[in-house]
Amino acid sequence: GAVVSQHPSRVICKSGTSVKIECRSLDFQATTMFWYRQFPKQSLMLMATSNEGSKATYEQGVEKDKFLINHASLTLSTLTVTSAHPEDSSFYICSARDSRGSYEQYFGPGTRLTVT
Amino acid sequence: RKEVEQDPGPFNVPEGATVAFNCTYSNSASQSFFWYRQDCRKEPKLLMSVYSSGNEDGRFTAQLNRASQYISLLIRDSKLSDSATYLCVVSLYQKVTFGTGTKLQVIP
Repeated sequence: GAVVSQHPSRVICKSGTSVKIECRSLDFQATTMFWYRQFPKQSLMLMATSNEGSKATYEQGVEKDKFLINHASLTLSTLTVTSAHPEDSSFYICSARDSRGSYEQYFGPGTRLTVT
Repeated sequence: RKEVEQDPGPFNVPEGATVAFNCTYSNSASQSFFWYRQDCRKEPKLLMSVYSSGNEDGRFTAQLNRASQYISLLIRDSKLSDSATYLCVVSLYQKVTFGTGTKLQVIP
């Protein structure tokens, strides 16, 4: 099946620093990637939809200047959490949709961010 | 009203039991429907898509009722390995919305 990787899998950073998370589709091209956040015992919340070559579409309540998304190629999207605070600590998961048109999403393994 | 609603459970069932989950969605224009499974602290994995005609995959049966705007998942002959959180997913164009999930615990 299709594979999506995320890096890093875990990161601990100090408050005020920025953290970049990479999401790669390994064996397919993805014009669209999605970024989700999941707090403990809650469901995934869509943060933004990342489209290759254009600006990301952010969900209501998600600050685009705080969560910078870049989808520079058909296989890579990055999420940068700028000036991280402890309340940004969460599980961040990306997913990618195969460009060939299936609605199925393939999820990365997730990145656990802890801001101290 | 939430876009996608699920009973969070937990559903505690004995091995071999049949269990059913329902999920309701608010946007009648929704196009595609899925059930995902998520194990603790792992990413969600697609269990099955849901079609209007209903579909079956082994012990799992999914149904869609557009008129009442709900989808269901039936698991027959529950196994211990079925213990997980089951997420209902509804999509419209690029917008994908997850339910909060229903936790299933299969007991020996």
